[in-house]
Amino acid sequence: EVQLVESGGGLVQPGGSLRLSCAASGFTFSSYWMHWVRQAPGKGLVWVSRINSDGSSTSYADSVKGRFTISRDNAKNTLYLQMNSLRAEDTAVYYCARITVTTSKFGMDVWGQGTTVTVSS
Amino acid sequence: DIVMTQSPDSLAVSLGERATINCKSSQSVLYSSNNKNYLAWYQQKPGQPPKLLIYWASTRESGVPDRFSGSGSGTDFTLTISSLQAEDVAVYYCQQYYNTLITFGPGTKVDIK
Repeated sequence: EVQLVESGGGLVQPGGSLRLSCAASGFTFSSYWMHWVRQAPGKGLVWVSRINSDGSSTSYADSVKGRFTISRDNAKNTLYLQMNSLRAEDTAVYYCARITVTTSKFGMDVWGQGTTVTVSS
Repeated sequence: DIVMTQSPDSLAVSLGERATINCKSSQSVLYSSNNKNYLAWYQQKPGQPPKLLIYWASTRESGVPDRFSGSGSGTDFTLTISSLQAEDVAVYYCQQYYNTLITFGPGTKVDIK
C-alpha cells in the first residue's frame, strides 16, 4: 500500500525548533519530488516547501524561507522538515505529499494524515 | 507569486443538483510547450488530508467519479459536480503548479441544501 506517515509534531514555545518526519512506503520514494503543505486551524491549504528526487534542489514559501529546511534520506525513505525560530503563525497541521509529474499525470496524488504543530508559550 | 482566487466561498446545493466552483489565477498557468494547464483540484473532507480530483484542469484522477469534471484554460477554471451526492460535502481547492512556488486557492465549502 502506498503510504506516507508524518511524525514529530507537538507543542513548542515561540523561538523553538522542531523536526518533522514523513516515512514513505509502497512506492519508490527516491523517484519522486516531495512537498510539505500546512493548514492552520480552520484555514486553507498553504504550500510550504518542496525537494527534488535526489535532494539537490529545494524551494520554500517566503513565509518560512531562512527558518525551515527540507531534506530527505532516500536510503531511509524519509522526508524531513527542520523548523527553527518557530512563530505562533506556524501553528498548523503539516502534511507531506508526493507529487507525480510525468507526461501522463501531474498532481499531489499521495498525502499523509498530517502532524500537528502548536507554537505557544 | 501566482495568486489563486475562488468563488463562491461556500455554496449549498440540493442532492442531485449541480454544483459549480470557479477558480481564477493572477497569470496564465498554460504551458505553451505542451498546451497543458498546470491547474489541479483537490477535495478535503473534515479531518482528512486533501485528495487529488482533477489535474491538467480537466483530467480526472483514477477512481474519481465521473460526476466531477474540470474545465477552463489560461486563467479561468471551473470544477463542476454534475449531481451532488451526500459524500461530496467537502472543501474544494484549486492549485497551480505553473512555477516552482505552488499556490492554492482559498477553498470553496460545499454543503447540502
